[in-house]
Amino acid sequence: ETGVTQSPTHLIKTRGQQVTLRCSSQSGHNTVSWYQQALGQGPQFIFQYYREEENGRGNFPPRFSGLQFPNYSSELNVNALELDDSALYLCASSRGTGTYGYTFGSGTRLTVV
Amino acid sequence: DQQVKQNSPSLSVQEGRISILNCDYTNSMFDYFLWYKKYPAEGPTFLISISSIKDKNEDGRFTVFLNKSAKHLSLHIVPSQPGDSAVYFCAASLPNDYKLSFGAGTTVTVRA
Repeated sequence: ETGVTQSPTHLIKTRGQQVTLRCSSQSGHNTVSWYQQALGQGPQFIFQYYREEENGRGNFPPRFSGLQFPNYSSELNVNALELDDSALYLCASSRGTGTYGYTFGSGTRLTVV
Repeated sequence: DQQVKQNSPSLSVQEGRISILNCDYTNSMFDYFLWYKKYPAEGPTFLISISSIKDKNEDGRFTVFLNKSAKHLSLHIVPSQPGDSAVYFCAASLPNDYKLSFGAGTTVTVRA
């Protein structure tokens, strides 16, 4: 059983740039949720994708957007990067939209300079 | 608005002793609570959960206690082992919800 994989593991971007993070869901999982974990804080919910549509969204501005593909993999896009966007971005896949059975990936560490 | 709080950022315990991690929440509508463990450079891994209809759930060395009236839950690890050294996150969700609300985490260090 393949787990959740995220790419890249690390990247550095300049303020104002755009970034795309990728997530492959675990086999058998059809839902992907994205979380942002700032330094010293717990993960904060960004949004969830189910059946290729956004199923729910946390308190993040529209410059955070996402996609889900037919194979259930997902992308997180962030436009107009700000210094405060520096964080660990975690992707979690699950079978269904509930909070039971989340499997997290190892995350992408984004640094905005 | 931080609805789940872990007020102890760190905990140091001797190997073989009990580790007690605490978590408080403000939203009385939460009905499902989880503990995750996170090693550096890895994603959080599920440890144990409890539904609001229970007050205790046990899985091997790990026991979670829920006190709904106090809006408080705790995780007991007995006995603590060196491999338990990690960051532990408390999380909660509302009925039929799709998202988890996390605390800020407690870093546990188990001393030999």
